[in-house]
Amino acid sequence: GAVVSQHPSRVICKSGTSVKIECRSLDFQATTMFWYRQFPKQSLMLMATSNEGSKATYEQGVEKDKFLINHASLTLSTLTVTSAHPEDSSFYICSARVVQGEAFFGQGTRLTVV
Amino acid sequence: DAKTTQPPSMDCAEGRAANLPCNHSTISGNEYVYWYRQIHSQGPQYIIHGLKNNETNEMASLIITEDRKSSTLILPHATLRDTAVYYCIVRVAGGNQGGKLIFGQGTELSVKP
Repeated sequence: GAVVSQHPSRVICKSGTSVKIECRSLDFQATTMFWYRQFPKQSLMLMATSNEGSKATYEQGVEKDKFLINHASLTLSTLTVTSAHPEDSSFYICSARVVQGEAFFGQGTRLTVV
Repeated sequence: DAKTTQPPSMDCAEGRAANLPCNHSTISGNEYVYWYRQIHSQGPQYIIHGLKNNETNEMASLIITEDRKSSTLILPHATLRDTAVYYCIVRVAGGNQGGKLIFGQGTELSVKP
């Protein structure tokens, strides 16, 4: 299957700082990328959907000013967690797909806010 | 979005077939059934998908009932490495957000020696 790379795989940051997570589709052009969050022992929760060159669409209850998503090219999307707090500590996962194709997932980013 | 119902957990003996059921009674005619799995602390891995016909690939088989209200994922010869959470998802079709995958709780499959 296609490869989606996420970076970094783990990050620890201080409370109040911002963290950027990158998601790249390595061998295909992704028209749509998705960002998920997963807390321990829970399922993946969709945060937002982004299409290249347009603003992301956020799911209900997700703060768009806190979780900034940029999808500047067909192979790169970024998620910035602004002013991170301990409750933002989670496993963040991106997904990329082409139109009408299956979605492929990155390996995830473990964010710990101390 | 159509929702799915899966048993929370299942056990399977190594080398035996693992049959994972999924109910999706409110599925629409143009919605596909997708299966993904997630091994601990990794991103989900695509397994298989189908619309109404049975499908088979190198990883698994997907059996969809004629009324499309349920399906079964079959891992023909389960190994210890198949221990994971398996998610059955009905994909939303169409529009700019077409195809977003909404995850339920999944089935935690434990393959035992």
